[in-house]
Amino acid sequence: EADIYQTPRYLVIGTGKKITLECSQTMGHDKMYWYQQDPGMELHLIHYSYGVNSTEKGDLSSESTVSRIRTEHFPLTLESARPSHTSQYLCASSEWVGGEKLFFGSGTQLSVL
Amino acid sequence: AQSVTQPDIHITVSEGASLELRCNYSYGATPYLFWYVQSPGQGLQLLLKYFSGDTLVQGIKGFEAEFKRSQSSFNLRKPSVHWSDAAEYFCAVGARGSARQLTFGSGTQLTVLP
Repeated sequence: EADIYQTPRYLVIGTGKKITLECSQTMGHDKMYWYQQDPGMELHLIHYSYGVNSTEKGDLSSESTVSRIRTEHFPLTLESARPSHTSQYLCASSEWVGGEKLFFGSGTQLSVL
Repeated sequence: AQSVTQPDIHITVSEGASLELRCNYSYGATPYLFWYVQSPGQGLQLLLKYFSGDTLVQGIKGFEAEFKRSQSSFNLRKPSVHWSDAAEYFCAVGARGSARQLTFGSGTQLTVLP
C-alpha cells in the first residue's frame, strides 16, 4: 500500500490568492513528481525532483513552483491563482532503483473562481 | 517523440463479460510499458508493467496485457469483469529506471453494468 498523502483533497479559491498544495510520502523515496490532470486528457508532468534541493520543470509549462527541503515533503505553490489553473494535481514518488514505478497520492482538485 | 494512443475514450461492459482495452505506442527504443488504474477520487495504481521477456504479462486484480512489437500495441485484458473494475485506465510508455520521461495516454473510462 502506497503511503503518499496530498492535502487538501478539494480547494476552491478566488483569483489572485496564493495557495500551497501539500504532498508527503513516508516511503523514503528520492524521486517525487507533480502531474496535472484534466478530464479526458493525459497526465502531464509539471515538476520533478530527484532528491533534496533538486527540482526541475517538467514537460508542461506551469506557473507553479516547488521546493524539496526534506525528502518526504514536496509542496507545490501558486503565487497568484487564476481560473486557468483549475485542474487536478497529482503527486507521485518512486524509488531510486526501479524508479519507473510510480506511487500516487489521491490528488488535489483545484478550482479557481 | 514518444506517444501513447488509447483509441477508446469510454467502454461499457456487463459484469462477467470479458474486457480488452487498447493501447498503441510510439517509442524510439525498446519500450517500457505500463498500465495504471485510477478509481474514482483516487490516485493512479500500477496494474502491470512490461520490460522484456515473455510478451504476456500478468498483473494485479486478474488483469493481463500482451506486448506486440509488430503492432506497437500493449492491450490490457481481463476474462471476467467485476463491478469494482469500473475506473479509468491509463497506458504509459517510458524508459527503465525513471518515470521522468514517462508518457501517459489520455485514458479509457470503463463502466460496468450489473
